[in-house]
Amino acid sequence: DAGVIQSPRHEVTEMGQEVTLRCKPISGHNSLFWYRQTMMRGLELLIYFNNNVPIDDSGMPEDRFSAKMPNASFSTLKIQPSEPRDSAVYFCASSPDSVRAYEQYFGPGTRLTVT
Amino acid sequence: DQQVKQNSPSLSVQEGRISILNCDYTNSMFDYFLWYKKYPAEGPTFLISISSIKDKNEDGRFTVFLNKSAKHLSLHIVPSQPGDSAVYFCAAPISGLFGYALNFGKGTSLLVTP
Repeated sequence: DAGVIQSPRHEVTEMGQEVTLRCKPISGHNSLFWYRQTMMRGLELLIYFNNNVPIDDSGMPEDRFSAKMPNASFSTLKIQPSEPRDSAVYFCASSPDSVRAYEQYFGPGTRLTVT
Repeated sequence: DQQVKQNSPSLSVQEGRISILNCDYTNSMFDYFLWYKKYPAEGPTFLISISSIKDKNEDGRFTVFLNKSAKHLSLHIVPSQPGDSAVYFCAAPISGLFGYALNFGKGTSLLVTP
């Protein structure tokens, strides 16, 4: 299995531009999570999906952020418009939907720099 | 609101010695804990976990201890190796009606020197 796949690995964009991050979870996993890592706040959960349905988006910082999961094998996190304070590493993770399946499998992350 | 806290941002240990990484939590409803390990430019990977019905779980060189009364857990690495140099995150799941979310600490960066 290829593991969780994220693209792009690095993204540099100018303030005000739209940014789209992509994630392909591990096949057969029913839950998908988007995290953001910064020095100040560590690893914080932005949103998670179960069976393609958004369950909790309370971690999404503001309306500029949106996430979709149109099918079981693909998810996007979009920032529009982007701001310099959005610069961070964004991780996608997936997990199987079984009892006590708390272990999550992370992708390599997308390092976003907004200038 | 940080419910899982790792108060030591960094730790340096000599190769062969014991590394002890600490984690405190505030939510008494937590009943399961996990440790993740993260190398630079990679995503975190699961390392070891413990259920609240236990006070110790061991896997090779890694042992996690849980003290529920103190709301404290620790990860022991014995003996420490240079390849253990990484950031270690403590995490606890918060279960909801339709799923769960992992609440992570900010991480402790471990450096094992030869």
